Amino acid sequence: GAVVSQHPSWVICKSGTSVKIECRSLDFQATTMFWYRQFPKQSLMLMATSNEGSKATYEQGVEKDKFLINHASLTLSTLTVTSAHPEDSSFYICSARRTGGAEQYFGPGTRLTVT
Amino acid sequence: KNQVEQSPQSLIILEGKNCTLQCNYTVSPFSNLRWYKQDTGRGPVSLTIMTFSENTKSNGRYTATLDADTKQSSLHITASQLSDSASYICVVSPNDYKLSFGAGTTVTVRA
Repeated sequence: GAVVSQHPSWVICKSGTSVKIECRSLDFQATTMFWYRQFPKQSLMLMATSNEGSKATYEQGVEKDKFLINHASLTLSTLTVTSAHPEDSSFYICSARRTGGAEQYFGPGTRLTVT
Repeated sequence: KNQVEQSPQSLIILEGKNCTLQCNYTVSPFSNLRWYKQDTGRGPVSLTIMTFSENTKSNGRYTATLDADTKQSSLHITASQLSDSASYICVVSPNDYKLSFGAGTTVTVRA
């Protein structure tokens, strides 16, 4: 159990467009989901924490108007990169924490390339 | 300054050999320490998780140790296989909410 999926696994978009990434907990309910960004050969950096039914909490330096997060159900959170620029190209990983639990389960990641 | 430092940054070993990865941390307070394996282009997968009172935890050919007094941990890979080629990330939690990630050690296993 505790499987987290992400869709799409990779996406290429043009500069100025928006792209949505989905994170789903397949076999458990997740009150809290986390969004990370990882640049090549670097650590995962937490972008924001999303709680079902409430506004996301963004880490310092992350633009909330650029990275829109919606956690509308206990199994789905979405990250929308608005007006994407080449510097937004990165590997985006979500994780989900089972309701009432502490462990975070990571998704397989989404590779975003902005041309 | 990163509160979780890993060494070496990368290493190459021959198939069948053993290797040990190091993790030093300054995160305080301390709740637990986790080791993850991250294949290229994939999300991290948990290998072990240890709390303050645990000194060692094994998962197959992976054995993690923890010295909470010196704030050091190691991950030992026994009889390495080609599939062990990946990045290994040390993650320390001050609580159940925040995770502090190390930069990872890239392991390459050669035939």
